[in-house]
Amino acid sequence: GAGVSQSPSNKVTEKGKDVELRCDPISGHTALYWYRQSLGQGLEFLIYFQGNSAPDKSGLPSDRFSAERTGGSVSTLTIQRTQQEDSAVYLCASSLVFVNTEAFFGQGTRLTVV
Amino acid sequence: KNEVEQSPQNLTAQEGEFITINCSYSVGISALHWLQQHPGGGIVSLFMLSSGKKKHGRLIATINIQEKHSSLHITASHPRDSAVYICAAAPQGGSEKLVFGKGTKLTVNP
Repeated sequence: GAGVSQSPSNKVTEKGKDVELRCDPISGHTALYWYRQSLGQGLEFLIYFQGNSAPDKSGLPSDRFSAERTGGSVSTLTIQRTQQEDSAVYLCASSLVFVNTEAFFGQGTRLTVV
Repeated sequence: KNEVEQSPQNLTAQEGEFITINCSYSVGISALHWLQQHPGGGIVSLFMLSSGKKKHGRLIATINIQEKHSSLHITASHPRDSAVYICAAAPQGGSEKLVFGKGTKLTVNP
């Protein structure tokens, strides 16, 4: 596609339910990043993929969070047993090789846990 | 103390004014990014620079590596420039984790 695509754009879920957020990076971009932006807070790194492997998962806030990437393309961020503090905008970005090249961001998924 | 500090946090200007947003960082970096986030939440990468100065239309970004400081300038500001501007540092040493400033909210009034 022309840009980084994220779905859904908005998600409201009940506390305790699992959610899956999807990111379609720009075709050919090997690096893919997930970030979180909580209300009134700055952007926070979650996880980074190079190809299908995730060399750095250090930003994942708890073991309820996991992510995978298949075929060097689509990535899914899964949050199990959602909590209210998980409410945030989840942003995905991709770049051609690594973060020292220009990063392209998706529109984000706004997650609200009620 | 955040590793990346931006100032000011909020900035209100009249259309046509020259705008400067500052970013200071305490980590060694390999590159610094300037991002723009509009009220709808979407983020656009404006610049990525590791030295000197870059210009794109009415936007200019500069960086001083020795002083660990970068500035984003907007000439002839326009209400459509109203957005949150975020600087993000790419640390040296191969880390892929961008370190973000908290952003500067710019409002340009007509």
